[in-house]
Amino acid sequence: KNQVEQSPQSLIILEGKNCTLQCNYTVSPFSNLRWYKQDTGRGPVSLTIMTFSENTKSNGRYTATLDADTKQSSLHITASQLSDSASYICVVSASGANNLFFGTGTRLTVIP
Amino acid sequence: SAVISQKPSRDICQRGTSLTIQCQVDSQVTMMFWYRQQPGQSLTLIATANQGSEATYESGFVIDKFPISRPNLTFSTLTVSNMSPEDSSIYLCSVKPWTSGSGGEQFFGPGTRLTVL
Repeated sequence: KNQVEQSPQSLIILEGKNCTLQCNYTVSPFSNLRWYKQDTGRGPVSLTIMTFSENTKSNGRYTATLDADTKQSSLHITASQLSDSASYICVVSASGANNLFFGTGTRLTVIP
Repeated sequence: SAVISQKPSRDICQRGTSLTIQCQVDSQVTMMFWYRQQPGQSLTLIATANQGSEATYESGFVIDKFPISRPNLTFSTLTVSNMSPEDSSIYLCSVKPWTSGSGGEQFFGPGTRLTVL
């Protein structure tokens, strides 16, 4: 069964600190993995998209890693800001299909 | 990229009524999708809006409840019919540009927040 699981479910950190969000998946055949940021009441916005051959990809203070062997990904946020408060959703795409498989997200709250 | 707008951004509706949500994209796209996001949950695909033909619905969603139109390559509507409080959700339009393959980038609209009383 194609599934995407994220941890932790929620996280509270102090402004300026770093954090790492986890994503495990069982989607097969694997095409790519994306991380989206979703602000409250808004649609998801893409942060990174990684294919099988990519181990790491950065977008500013966001760095995603992918281990296709263990089917795990992480999103590392450096020097967090209050505006980083949002839900972060891991989404995996299967080859040859238009369906995306969504994780339930990690709700990140950055406090002053 | 693709810029997507949705109307309305939010609405409060009475039980038994219907609401039509519009999705407009600033460029021609191959695929358009409608998702639902219930409170505290992740996104669930409702259907793929096909240009010039009937939409393709996912398991658990039917045309009578969620009729969809896609008259051209930049516009689609989703109607939530005979609404009940269980339909209270965020409804999101999503698109894949011409340049995306089956695993390519997918963009999401800002969503329509629906509350049914």
